[in-house]
Amino acid sequence: DADVTQTPRNRITKTGKRIMLECSQTKGHDRMYWYRQDPGLGLRLIYYSFDVKDINKGEISDGYSVSRQAQAKFSLSLESAIPNQTALYFCATSDPTGGPSSYNEQFFGPGTRLTVL
Amino acid sequence: KNEVEQSPQNLTAQEGEFITINCSYSVGISALHWLQQHPGGGIVSLFMLSSGKKKHGRLIATINIQEKHSSLHITASHPRDSAVYICAVSNFGNEKLTFGTGTRLTIIP
Repeated sequence: DADVTQTPRNRITKTGKRIMLECSQTKGHDRMYWYRQDPGLGLRLIYYSFDVKDINKGEISDGYSVSRQAQAKFSLSLESAIPNQTALYFCATSDPTGGPSSYNEQFFGPGTRLTVL
Repeated sequence: KNEVEQSPQNLTAQEGEFITINCSYSVGISALHWLQQHPGGGIVSLFMLSSGKKKHGRLIATINIQEKHSSLHITASHPRDSAVYICAVSNFGNEKLTFGTGTRLTIIP
């Protein structure tokens, strides 16, 4: 089984709808991240969480919110979806305790392709 | 100007060719990462390095800290190497990554 899973894998929705993307991990990592990927642009950070009680905005957090329900779960919500939020969304995890060889290595989920009409 | 620049953006080569993808960055970093994104979208980490060179199978990654430059090499390229290769950097004390826009590699049989 995959260590980092995302649901749904694909979603088509309409403008104005509330959407939740879910991420679960079995790696036991404290740190989790949400990114979006658009054609021609690099991955951009939306939100990140270094533990259950810690939530931080990334570079493009407007229009998004997150919830860290447990160490293993980190959800991304679009409160009122708009077409320019159409993108590929990735969840990732990392473990800062593994020493220099693992510090900062991030492990990605398979991605969620979201289309907002 | 992006903090992380990759070149080329697209690369098509014949099977067996030696491949080089370049990454330049403009800020001080603690580590540079090379990732591979498969045609299906999944992203996997290939290398994380802060100095010198690392090798894994047919893949070799090098970094020159003074020149703020890294290269990813693929020897004896194969069609299964076709993917997008992404360079990313992380900063001291900060696990956030800054990503390049990727290099789309296509290996023709």
